[in-house]
Amino acid sequence: DTAVSQTPKYLVTQMGNDKSIKCEQNLGHDTMYWYKQDSKKFLKIMFSYNNKELIINETVPNRFSPKSPDKAHLNLHINSLELGDSAVYFCASSQDPSLRQFFGPGTRLTVL
Amino acid sequence: EDQVTQSPEALRLQEGESSSLNCSYTVSGLRGLFWYRQDPGKGPEFLFTLYSAGEEKEKERLKATLTKKESFLHITAPKPEDSATYLCAVLTPEGGKLIFGQGTELSVKP
Repeated sequence: DTAVSQTPKYLVTQMGNDKSIKCEQNLGHDTMYWYKQDSKKFLKIMFSYNNKELIINETVPNRFSPKSPDKAHLNLHINSLELGDSAVYFCASSQDPSLRQFFGPGTRLTVL
Repeated sequence: EDQVTQSPEALRLQEGESSSLNCSYTVSGLRGLFWYRQDPGKGPEFLFTLYSAGEEKEKERLKATLTKKESFLHITAPKPEDSATYLCAVLTPEGGKLIFGQGTELSVKP
């Protein structure tokens, strides 16, 4: 069974559209994260939730809104997509913020 | 400002040619240093966590070490299947945030 899964794997959309990426973990972890990896492979934290509560909110445009319906799910909604939003988005989870994180397979977002 | 810098950006080795990857960091109150491996088109995969200077961890051909300012990932007699991007990340005191370096892309030729 996949530990951290994301859907969709690929997302191609037009500028100005709104889209969502879904993430689920079956590890029973309390903490979940969203990262953005740019074209230079640089991985940067966007958000972190611990037991459905937002604990890290980096300098991210407010067009990005995370939502955690329960401990096992963390979704990312993006409004008014821009060209610069094109990247690979990774979801991750950990039992505790001080412990290793398990990453999902990533969602490649392309904004045309 | 907390920062993580990895070098070199890319490394090409012949099979069996040992080498080291460097990760230098400036962060106040390091809570841990993590090494991950990332294959093309996949998410990062955990390798090691180091928590204090002097600590070492080993796994197969990989050995990670930590000082107060940097970490090394030593690769002994690498094989082509070791080819990947290796990412270093430090855990900061603020809310358990991981700050990643830009990675070292390792290529091992047979």
